[in-house]
Amino acid sequence: NAGVTQTPKFQVLKTGQSMTLQCAQDMNHEYMSWYRQDPGMGLRLIHYSVGAGITDQGEVPNGYNVSRSTTEDFPLRLLSAAPSQTSVYFCASSRDRDRSPLHFGNGTRLTVT
Amino acid sequence: AQKVTQAQTEISVVEKEDVTLDCVYETRDTTYYLFWYKQPPSGELVFLIRRNSFDEQNEISGRYSWNFQKSTSSFNFTITASQVVDSAVYFCALSEAPRESQFYFGTGTSLTVIP
Repeated sequence: NAGVTQTPKFQVLKTGQSMTLQCAQDMNHEYMSWYRQDPGMGLRLIHYSVGAGITDQGEVPNGYNVSRSTTEDFPLRLLSAAPSQTSVYFCASSRDRDRSPLHFGNGTRLTVT
Repeated sequence: AQKVTQAQTEISVVEKEDVTLDCVYETRDTTYYLFWYKQPPSGELVFLIRRNSFDEQNEISGRYSWNFQKSTSSFNFTITASQVVDSAVYFCALSEAPRESQFYFGTGTSLTVIP
C-alpha cells in the first residue's frame, strides 16, 4: 500500500528558483491538502482541494500554486522561492473533507538559500 | 485566534510515569471532529484517534486514553506507564464539519520519555 507519496524528500533551492513538490495518493481520496511545518508553528494549511478541478487557499497560500487535474495528484508549485519558504512540507489526503482522518506523506524538507 | 491550543510546548517524563497532553479547542459549530496525531523522531505523521462532537464517551486503547469534555472544550490525551517509544511530537486537530474544509492543528507538544 503506497498511500500518499511525496517527492522529493529533500531539496535545496536558491532564492528566486521555482520548483514543484509532487504528491500522489492511491486511495481514491477526494480531499487533498498541503501543509508546512515550522518550529513552534505546528502545521499550517497552504492549499487544499475537495476534488479534481477544485482548489482553494488555506492559511498561508502566498508564494504557492496548486492544481488538481486528477484525483490522484496534487502538486505544489513554488513560484519564486524565498528563504521564508524553508520548511518541511507535508501532503495529506482523506476520504472526505471533514470527518475522516488525514493520511500524510513522509514530508519534503526544503531549504532555500 | 488559535482554534486549537496546546499550551504545553515540551514535556519530559521518566519512563513508566503517566503523562497528560492538553488540548483546548474553540468553535461555534455544534458538529465538529477532533483528532490526535503522533510525529515520532522519524518525522512521519500518524493518526491516533478521531472523536466527533456528539460522542463524549472517553476512549481507551491500551496505554492511551482520551478525555473529551465539551463543557471545557478540551480533548486531552493521557499515556499511562510511558515508554521511550512514546517520545514524539503530538498534535491535536479540529475539523469544523461540514461548514469548513480545513483541519486546524495545534502547535504540538513535544514529549520526551527518559529511560
